[in-house]
Amino acid sequence: KAGVTQTPRYLIKTRGQQVTLSCSPISGHRSVSWYQQTPGQGLQFLFEYFSETQRNKGNFPGRFSGRQFSNSRSEMNVSTLELGDSALYLCASRSAGGTDTQYFGPGTRLTVL
Amino acid sequence: EDQVTQSPEALRLQEGESSSLNCSYTVSGLRGLFWYRQDPGKGPEFLFTLYSAGEEKEKERLKATLTKKESFLHITAPKPEDSATYLCAATSSGGSYIPTFGRGTSLIVHP
Repeated sequence: KAGVTQTPRYLIKTRGQQVTLSCSPISGHRSVSWYQQTPGQGLQFLFEYFSETQRNKGNFPGRFSGRQFSNSRSEMNVSTLELGDSALYLCASRSAGGTDTQYFGPGTRLTVL
Repeated sequence: EDQVTQSPEALRLQEGESSSLNCSYTVSGLRGLFWYRQDPGKGPEFLFTLYSAGEEKEKERLKATLTKKESFLHITAPKPEDSATYLCAATSSGGSYIPTFGRGTSLIVHP
């Protein structure tokens, strides 16, 4: 099976702009979670989507939003970018069959100037 | 509040020098304990899932073990290509499937 894919791999934006990141989960996986990873804070959970519904949400401001489509692909949007949003954004997918093992994509490196 | 603490933060080994990484967890009923390997700038790569105390899993030079309070990742005769950050995470039976991650152990293996 193909793994989790994320596009784009690298992004450079300026403050105030918005950005959309995309994630395609492993075939058959219906849960998609998003994480932000920075050297100072480690891996921080953003939100989880399951069957097109947001099921869990981390402690991030409303500028961070997401959605999931009927084919389980997910997008994450960050509006009004701030310098502190520079990070590696990771997507992880999980099968809904009772296992909670998550499989991560390669990540999108976002740099905000 | 669920907590996962990894030690040491950083570890330098000589090639062939075996060692162990520690992951202490405090969760309300462990559902699963996970180990990942992460190379710089890349996404975490899944290694193991452990579910109950006493369980052990092996893959090449890596062996993960689990007790009621902690997990160990034993690295036997490491090679330079084992250099990476190793992440530990845990999920609790009373909550969602969202894991709590530790900060990781950065391992460098010198040839």
